[in-house]
Amino acid sequence: DAGVTQSPTHLIKTRGQQVTLRCSPKSGHDTVSWYQQALGQGPQFIFQYYEEEERQRGNFPDRFSGHQFPNYSSELNVNALLLGDSALYLCASSLVDSGRAPDTQYFGPGTRLTVL
Amino acid sequence: GDSVTQMEGPVTLSEEACLTINCTYTATGYPSLFWYVQYPGEGLQLLLKATKADDKGSNKGFEATYRKETTSFHLEKGSVQVSDSAVYFCALTGGGNKLTFGTGTQLKVEL
Repeated sequence: DAGVTQSPTHLIKTRGQQVTLRCSPKSGHDTVSWYQQALGQGPQFIFQYYEEEERQRGNFPDRFSGHQFPNYSSELNVNALLLGDSALYLCASSLVDSGRAPDTQYFGPGTRLTVL
Repeated sequence: GDSVTQMEGPVTLSEEACLTINCTYTATGYPSLFWYVQYPGEGLQLLLKATKADDKGSNKGFEATYRKETTSFHLEKGSVQVSDSAVYFCALTGGGNKLTFGTGTQLKVEL
């Protein structure tokens, strides 16, 4: 059973550039959430996608955007990169059953983004 | 809004010592509570969870009890091993399945 996968593993960009990170959820999961983890900190929620729509969003600027595809995979896009965007970006997947509370989130290994 | 407070690290213990990492939370409604572990250079792994008051989550010798009266979810293990060295995160989900994390507690276990 494949877990959550993310690509690429590492990425180096310069200020002002744009970046796209990719995530494939765990088999059977339909919801993808993205988190930013700065060095030495806990992950911060960016947004969550379900049924190809952004369902919930954290306190991140519009430079952060995303997409979910019909196969439930997802992309995170960050425009106009700043030095402060350097972090580990984590994707988590879960299954939402309309009849009960959302299931546990399972995390991928993350993408380490360095902005120079 | 929701928040999680956990004890500062690093925590350094000798192998076979007892571990307690304190975690308290603030949330509206009835959140689910989690402990995640992060090994060096890796993503987060779910360690255990509890979904309602008085539930005890347990896994790999670790356990934590959901205490609504004290809004706490302390992580405990009776005998730690060197392989338990990692960063431990307490977290909760409120409405919408968004996870709110604490800042993490680094555990170092020495021989």
